[in-house]
Amino acid sequence: AQSVAQPEDQVNVAEGNPLTVKCTYSVSGNPYLFWYVQYPNRGLQFLLKYITGDNLVKGSYGFEAEFNKSQTSFHLKKPSALVSDSALYFCAVRDIVYNFNKFYFGSGTKLNVKP
Amino acid sequence: DTAVSQTPKYLVTQMGNDKSIKCEQNLGHDTMYWYKQDSKKFLKIMFSYNNKELIINETVPNRFSPKSPDKAHLNLHINSLELGDSAVYFCASSLGLSDTEAFFGQGTRLTVV
Repeated sequence: AQSVAQPEDQVNVAEGNPLTVKCTYSVSGNPYLFWYVQYPNRGLQFLLKYITGDNLVKGSYGFEAEFNKSQTSFHLKKPSALVSDSALYFCAVRDIVYNFNKFYFGSGTKLNVKP
Repeated sequence: DTAVSQTPKYLVTQMGNDKSIKCEQNLGHDTMYWYKQDSKKFLKIMFSYNNKELIINETVPNRFSPKSPDKAHLNLHINSLELGDSAVYFCASSLGLSDTEAFFGQGTRLTVV
């Protein structure tokens, strides 16, 4: 079965420092990978995706993610964190092998950026 | 214009009642979903519809019945509500056979008392 794992429940970082939110995946076939952000009492907002091509994907709000096939990882990064980046982040994979209409989400990582 | 809109945003009801949540998308997508987010923020797919047809039913109790009158709408009706149904329910949509992302509504916070 397709799945993603987010090993950290919470990540704490000081404003201005680089941040990384980790995600590893387990899929059959080539992965379609996504990152979403959820602010309190809001829906999920799409940040970026990897489908094919360049392993470094750039997205909204200065976020980027690096696809690493050998490590089956898709970590979310930002060079300089902002307090406003504090939110819940979800990694997701789309099942393109068994059921195209399925997105599997990780358990979420809460990012705390302190001033 | 909101791409995926769901109503109501908040719903407080007593055990045993029947309630509905409505969802509409104006993105022209052919696939719509219902996800449940529990108190630990874990997201689990409940249903998926493609062009008004049920594609995914993830072992959800029969008390939950989705209805898709057209491909822009996917409503969720819940019978005989239980305390354990308390959660945030998200509607989402996407293009079916493509590499695009899913777009989410703002969520409906259901509280059963």
